[in-house]
Amino acid sequence: NAGVMQNPRHLVRRRGQEARLRCSPMKGHSHVYWYRQLPEEGLKFMVYLQKENIIDESGMPKERFSAEFPKEGPSILRIQQVVRGDSAAYFCASSQKPGVNEQFFGPGTRLTVL
Amino acid sequence: GEDVEQSLFLSVREGDSSVINCTYTDSSSTYLYWYKQEPGAGLQLLTYIFSNMDMKQDQRLTVLLNKKDKHLSLRIADTQTGDSAIYFCAESIQGGATNKLIFGTGTLLAVQP
Repeated sequence: NAGVMQNPRHLVRRRGQEARLRCSPMKGHSHVYWYRQLPEEGLKFMVYLQKENIIDESGMPKERFSAEFPKEGPSILRIQQVVRGDSAAYFCASSQKPGVNEQFFGPGTRLTVL
Repeated sequence: GEDVEQSLFLSVREGDSSVINCTYTDSSSTYLYWYKQEPGAGLQLLTYIFSNMDMKQDQRLTVLLNKKDKHLSLRIADTQTGDSAIYFCAESIQGGATNKLIFGTGTLLAVQP
């Protein structure tokens, strides 16, 4: 059973470009969480999705950021018109059900904005 | 409020015990977790404890929870160089729809041979 997959592992963008980060949850998991880790900081919650639904986006910046988890395919975190402050590691986690809430993390995507 | 704090750095000698501490503020937390992050890698769940428990032991790991003081600790017995990593505590708050994790700032554990 493969773990949580994220791609790309490293992404370099110039200011103003778009970044698309992908996350495939573990098999059988229908809950996906996105977290951001700024340099030398802990992880901060961004958004929680179930299939085709955004449940909680309270941690998402108001502009330029969006997320989706379609019926088929991976979850996508999209950042439009990236700025240098978006440089961070973005982690995706999945869980089977929210009870114990045992979240399994992917290896992360490290975004660098030049 | 939601706030989780940890000390930034801990250095121990190989074979000694390590104790990593964490304080949290939200009394409605139901599960508390310890994650390990090695350089350039994702987070690995080490263990978790339900808030109505005081202690949980799992091989070399012992978790202690003082709910009155909102204090959580992780003890690693017989620390090895492979334990060198950043350790994050996190709390999960039940009751809402999200069950998001609130992470501490992380403690860098350095194990000296």
